[in-house]
Amino acid sequence: QKEVEQNSGPLSVPEGAIASLNCTYSDRVSQSFFWYRQYSGKSPELIMSIYSNGDKEDGRFTAQLNKASQYVSLLIRDSQPSDSATYLCAVNTGFQKLVFGTGTRLLVSP
Amino acid sequence: DTAVSQTPKYLVTQMGNDKSIKCEQNLGHDTMYWYKQDSKKFLKIMFSYNNKELIINETVPNRFSPKSPDKAHLNLHINSLELGDSAVYFCASSQVAGTDTQYFGPGTRLTVL
Repeated sequence: QKEVEQNSGPLSVPEGAIASLNCTYSDRVSQSFFWYRQYSGKSPELIMSIYSNGDKEDGRFTAQLNKASQYVSLLIRDSQPSDSATYLCAVNTGFQKLVFGTGTRLLVSP
Repeated sequence: DTAVSQTPKYLVTQMGNDKSIKCEQNLGHDTMYWYKQDSKKFLKIMFSYNNKELIINETVPNRFSPKSPDKAHLNLHINSLELGDSAVYFCASSQVAGTDTQYFGPGTRLTVL
C-alpha cells in the first residue's frame, strides 16, 4: 500500500462547479497535511495546510481532515480555468519528512 | 526577491559526466531538502539538512552527494550520470523539518543523453 494515495485523474469539472480532490494516507501517526498545486513546468506551491480534524477554509478552498478515516480532501468552489493544474497531497509521516501523493490532475473547462 | 533559487534551470549532459546543482534560500529557514520528480510527476524526497546537518538520506545511490556549506545553501553533486537520473530536481526549505510548510525552488530539469 502506498503511503499517500490520490486518484491521478484527470478530474474534469465545468467552470463554476465544485472540484473535490481526495487523498488517503496509511500512517496513523501523521499530524500535518498539505495540499500543493503544481502547474505544468512549474514548482509546487502551497494551497492549504491542515493539522486538526474538521474543515479549514481559505477563500474558495476548503481542506477537510478526518484522522480516524485517514482521509484528507480539498474542495475548490467556483472552479476557474486557472485552477487547472495537478494537486499534490502531502503528509508528514513523523520522520521529519513529507510524503507526497502522485497528484490529481484537475481540468476546469470554460 | 526570490525565496528559494536554484541554478541552473536546465542541465543537458552526457552519460558518465559529473554535474552539480546549487540551491539558496533567503527565508531564514533551518531546513532544506532535495526532491526528485520523475516523468510520472511523482515527487520523492532525496535528502534533508537541518542547520547544515544531514537528517534524511533516502535510498539514493552514492553517486548523489549533497553538501550544505551553511544553512542557506544546499548543493547537489551527481557523479557518473545515468539515463535514469533524468528528472526535475527541486530544492525546498522550511523552518521546521517535516511538519512545516515547505517552499520550493523553480526546479532544475536534468536531461542525461
